[in-house]
Amino acid sequence: AQSVTQLGSHVSVSEGALVLLRCNYSSSVPPYLFWYVQYPNQGLQLLLKYTSAATLVKGINGFEAEFKKSETSFHLTKPSAHMSDAAEYFCAVSHSYNTDKLIFGTGTRLQVFP
Amino acid sequence: ETGVTQTPRHLVMGMTNKKSLKCEQHLGHNAMYWYKQSAKKPLELMFVYNFKEQTENNSVPSRFSPECPNSSHLFLHLHTLQPEDSALYLCASSRGEFGEKNIQYFGAGTRLSVL
Repeated sequence: AQSVTQLGSHVSVSEGALVLLRCNYSSSVPPYLFWYVQYPNQGLQLLLKYTSAATLVKGINGFEAEFKKSETSFHLTKPSAHMSDAAEYFCAVSHSYNTDKLIFGTGTRLQVFP
Repeated sequence: ETGVTQTPRHLVMGMTNKKSLKCEQHLGHNAMYWYKQSAKKPLELMFVYNFKEQTENNSVPSRFSPECPNSSHLFLHLHTLQPEDSALYLCASSRGEFGEKNIQYFGAGTRLSVL
């Protein structure tokens, strides 16, 4: 069975500081991994996806994530936080590119202080 | 037009009411999904439709009844709900084709409160 664990339900950073949101996965097969962002009163928007190509994945809005098989991790980072990055971030995993089933984490709410 | 549109955005209903949630996608996709998002819990996949046919029902109570008249529209009919059904209901769509099913696009959701 697959699962996703997001460490830290809340993360607070100052504007301009590094953003690090943690995601660890469990999967018996090579996983496909995703990060979604949800801004207040909006649906989920795909930030980036890992599909077994390059282990460092670049997404929108300056975010990137690195797949580390040895650590079963797919942490999301951004070098310099902006106020507009305040949102909830969800990590998700699927076992195949040919499946509808995405397993989501419980989310991490990012706050950015001026 | 935004990609996936959900109406209404907010809904308050009593336990004896009947209401429907609507989702429309303008992306030319062939698969549509209903998810439930509750506080402190992961998103729960409820139903999946591929080319208008239901292909997944994740043990959802019968008080939730989905309908997919065509590939662009998806409804969730609600009746005799319980207070624990209060949540954000999200609709999503994907191309539904080989290799594209897990790239899903979400609507803004309907915030449902059951009194």
